Amino acid sequence: GAVVSQHPSWVICKSGTSVKIECRSLDFQATTMFWYRQFPKQSLMLMATSNEGSKATYEQGVEKDKFLINHASLTLSTLTVTSAHPEDSSFYICSARKAQGLYGYTFGSGTRLTVV
Amino acid sequence: GENVEQHPSTLSVQEGDSAVIKCTYSDSASNYFPWYKQELGKRPQLIIDIRSNVGEKKDQRIAVTLNKTAKHFSLHITETQPEDSAVYFCAASDPLGQNFVFGPGTRLSVLP
Repeated sequence: GAVVSQHPSWVICKSGTSVKIECRSLDFQATTMFWYRQFPKQSLMLMATSNEGSKATYEQGVEKDKFLINHASLTLSTLTVTSAHPEDSSFYICSARKAQGLYGYTFGSGTRLTVV
Repeated sequence: GENVEQHPSTLSVQEGDSAVIKCTYSDSASNYFPWYKQELGKRPQLIIDIRSNVGEKKDQRIAVTLNKTAKHFSLHITETQPEDSAVYFCAASDPLGQNFVFGPGTRLSVLP
């Protein structure tokens, strides 16, 4: 159990357009999902914490108006990169925790975004 | 907030040798410490974890030790194989998982 699906796995978009990335927990309910960004050869940097039914909590330095997060159900969180720029090109990956308590996080398969 | 450091950043070992990766953390409230393995272009996979009430945990060729007093924990891989080559991330988290911080990663290369 504890499978997290993320799509698309890769996307290429033009500067100025918006891209939506979906993260779904397939076999469990996730009240909290996390969005990370990973640049080449670097660690995962938390962007925001997505809470079902409420506003996301953004990390310092992450523009909430640029990276829109919606967690409308217990199994789906979406990240929309608005007005994308080449510097937004990165590997975006979500994760979810199966339940409260000390469980390992399950990661989605990641989305490689390239803005041209 | 929590700060997790990880060493070394790169590690090359001969097949069959052991590999050790060390992490330190700053927040004494952290009490959950997972290790993830990430192959190129793929998602991180949890390989082992340890909680603060345990000093050591072993799963086949992989073991993790925790020194809560010194705030450091280590990953030990014995009898390394080429398929162990990947980037390994340690992380530290508080009990509720609201403060989950990754280390910078260690690129392990197992040479045949």
